[in-house]
Amino acid sequence: EAQVTQNPRYLITVTGKKLTVTCSQNMNHEYMSWYRQDPGLGLRQIYYSMNVEVTDKGDVPEGYKVSRKEKRNFPLILESPSPNQTSLYFCASSWGPDSYEQYFGPGTRLTVT
Amino acid sequence: QKEVEQNSGPLSVPEGAIASLNCTYSDRGSQSFFWYRQYSGKSPELIMSIYSNGDKEDGRFTAQLNKASQYVSLLIRDSQPSDSATYLCAAPMYSGGGADGLTFGKGTHLIIQP
Repeated sequence: EAQVTQNPRYLITVTGKKLTVTCSQNMNHEYMSWYRQDPGLGLRQIYYSMNVEVTDKGDVPEGYKVSRKEKRNFPLILESPSPNQTSLYFCASSWGPDSYEQYFGPGTRLTVT
Repeated sequence: QKEVEQNSGPLSVPEGAIASLNCTYSDRGSQSFFWYRQYSGKSPELIMSIYSNGDKEDGRFTAQLNKASQYVSLLIRDSQPSDSATYLCAAPMYSGGGADGLTFGKGTHLIIQP
């Protein structure tokens, strides 16, 4: 089954404790992206990747890091989480950044206290 | 700043009626447009994509695109309670080096009243 998986699905953590949210896709997509979704602000892009070892900032990259060492995986790293990073996070993948459907993972609900 | 604008709603429609959702976009270079449906707490799922001016129909759903007016709409015929969700409009965002990904509108919350 074609899918994007994320782990963990739910996470409660404390300020400053490094965490990683994993994302993996099995569709051999080149393009992957991370979004956060907040009430009243909609989906906002954090980082994206056009291919292995090619990543770039989206609209709200501050406080986040990513890496793309393998085509299927695109982890999101919060080195020192803060309460304003409490949000619902989605990973997505696609054949390309503009003309193709983006497939979304199930989401990770992160709470930073 | 590339933008996709939607009325946040809620839009309340009686069961069986036509729901009409609207979206405008700022980047005249956008060539592809997407409508996603998102249930509360769930991930967005693609409903329709449209690339050419005019109408595109798929079952109860019709997407309409008017590039001259920079306007995209989604019509849902014979609305069902299961159509109650937030509908997100999306269009590509372009920088000097090409497309970076999709810009999403904030979504329209649709409520189908039984």
